[in-house]
Amino acid sequence: AQTVTQSQPEMSVQEAETVTLSCTYDTSENNYYLFWYKQPPSRQMILVIRQEAYKQQNATENRFSVNFQKAAKSFSLKISDSQLGDTAMYFCAFQTPGSARQLTFGSGTQLTVLP
Amino acid sequence: EAQVTQNPRYLITVTGKKLTVTCSQNMNHEYMSWYRQDPGLGLRQIYYSMNVEVTDKGDVPEGYKVSRKEKRNFPLILESPSPNQTSLYFCASSLSRGGPYEQYFGPGTRLTVT
Repeated sequence: AQTVTQSQPEMSVQEAETVTLSCTYDTSENNYYLFWYKQPPSRQMILVIRQEAYKQQNATENRFSVNFQKAAKSFSLKISDSQLGDTAMYFCAFQTPGSARQLTFGSGTQLTVLP
Repeated sequence: EAQVTQNPRYLITVTGKKLTVTCSQNMNHEYMSWYRQDPGLGLRQIYYSMNVEVTDKGDVPEGYKVSRKEKRNFPLILESPSPNQTSLYFCASSLSRGGPYEQYFGPGTRLTVT
């Protein structure tokens, strides 16, 4: 079974600064997908960024980028130029290809952006 | 607008009183799933469905039932709710082949069982 670990329950960052959220996972699979989801106070789950394990290039979406280290089984999220609207719970999630399509989530990191 | 809807959004009930949380999607997705979110545990999958009349257990299925009689609907049924089922529940849907397709989440249902 896959496990996802987020070791930082809470983090804070000053507005306009850069912050990195860590995520590690454990799997014996070679092909899989990784995601970061954001959950603002509204509770809505919003996809931030995704990474396919067979792609060596790190994914980037505007101010959000990942550092994917397959050998180390690490998938950190970097948020540049942090904004107040980035305040949210962030979940790292793992998925294997195939019929189940189950997302295995980490326990989450509560990020607070300070003005 | 493409979306997943859940009803009700908030529910307070008593132990043993059967309840149903509805989930509907308008994106013609084959795959639908239910998760529960608890503090410190993230989201855990309860049940999922690959298509009409095809359902299977996730990681925490005890105490829950589901059905998939129509492609767009995937209700979650608690036959005899207990206080340990107090949680935040999410329904999600996605395409079922290939990937990594984004899973679209509903707005969540906050359930309290007293």
